[in-house]
Formats: sequence, structure tokens, C-alpha cells
Amino acid sequence: GAGVSQSPSNKVTEKGKDVELRCDPISGHTALYWYRQSLGQGLEFLIYFQGNSAPDKSGLPSDRFSAERTGGSVSTLTIQRTQQEDSAVYLCASIPGTGVGNGYTFGSGTRLTVV
Amino acid sequence: GQQVMQIPQYQHVQEGEDFTTYCNSSTTLSNIQWYKQRPGGHPVFLIQLVKSGEVKKQKRLTFQFGEAKKNSSLHITATQTTDVGTYFCAGSGGSNYKLTFGKGTLLTVNP
Repeated sequence: GAGVSQSPSNKVTEKGKDVELRCDPISGHTALYWYRQSLGQGLEFLIYFQGNSAPDKSGLPSDRFSAERTGGSVSTLTIQRTQQEDSAVYLCASIPGTGVGNGYTFGSGTRLTVV
Repeated sequence: GQQVMQIPQYQHVQEGEDFTTYCNSSTTLSNIQWYKQRPGGHPVFLIQLVKSGEVKKQKRLTFQFGEAKKNSSLHITATQTTDVGTYFCAGSGGSNYKLTFGKGTLLTVNP
């Protein structure tokens, strides 16, 4: 696609429920990132994909968080047993290759609210 | 791990005044990037600096990368209301595949 597409744009869920967030990167972009932005905060790195593999998942906050990428394209971030502290905007970004030189292209994000 | 600090956290200016935000890294960076996030929007890439002491300009915006490649600044001359938003710096270390973001500077402009 022309840009990075994320869905849903907004998600309200009850504490304890599981949620899935989807990211469709720019066609042909091999690298994909998930970041989290809490209110008034910077961007917190979660996980990096190169193709379908995740060589760096060091930012995932707990084992309730997992992510996968299939076909070198769409990625899904899953949060199990959601907690109120998971409330944030989850941003996906992609780049063409292995270096950050051309800058990230971000999607519009998914605003997750856990009530 | 790598940390990127950014100051100030907030800056309010009158339209026409200048604005500067500063970024400092705990480690030497291979490059630094700047992003702008409009209210309610997502971060948008502005520029990348790679060389020690590099200075780049985009119209009223001037970006600098320090000699030691551990600090950077963004200066806006004669701010306009369209400059409103949060400006983030983001640095990459030796691996160059991942960016560490500062917490950003929120700029508001009074017309």
C-alpha cells in the first residue's frame, strides 16, 4: 500500500481480555517495528522484525506481549490479559531495508484503552 | 542501554519568536533523526544527520549534530502556528537497525 496501515484505530477493552493489533507495512519494506507511546511520553521500542523473524524483541514489557509477522508483510501484536497500564498508542513503522537511514514511516497507530 | 534525553519538555512561544530543542545521548550515535508529531497525529520523519558537526537546513529549520556525535539540536527561526507539535529526536547506535527516541519537546505557538 501507499502507507503503513494499522487497525483498529481505536480499541477499548476490558481488563483481562486479549487484544490483537494489526499492522500492514509499505509494500516491499522488509523491516517492521512496533513502538508504544504513552500519554505525553516518548516512543518506547517493543520489537523489530526483519522479514518474518524478530531478531530484537527486547522491548516487549512482559510475556503477555507477543508479535508475529507472516509473509514478510502483515504483523500482529497480541496482548494477553490486558492491564490498565497497557493503555497507550501502539505505533507500527516500516523501512525498506536493514538500516534506519531513510527514516521510519509510521502508521497512524492504534489507541488502546483498557478499562 | 542507550538513553536519549531531550529538553525542554515544553516550550510556548509567541508567533515570530525562535525555538530550539536539544537532544543528548548517553552514548555515541551513528546517526540522529528528527521527527515531528502534530497534535493527534503520528510522528513524521524530518531529517537525518550522520556526520560529526553536520548542519542541515530545511527552510526555517536548522539541524545540528555535535562534534562528538552525542548531541543534536533543532532550531526554528520565526515560528509560525503551523510549527505546533511535538519534536522528537531519535538516535541509532552501532547496530543502526533501531532508533531510541527522546521524550520530545511540545511546541505551542501563540498567534
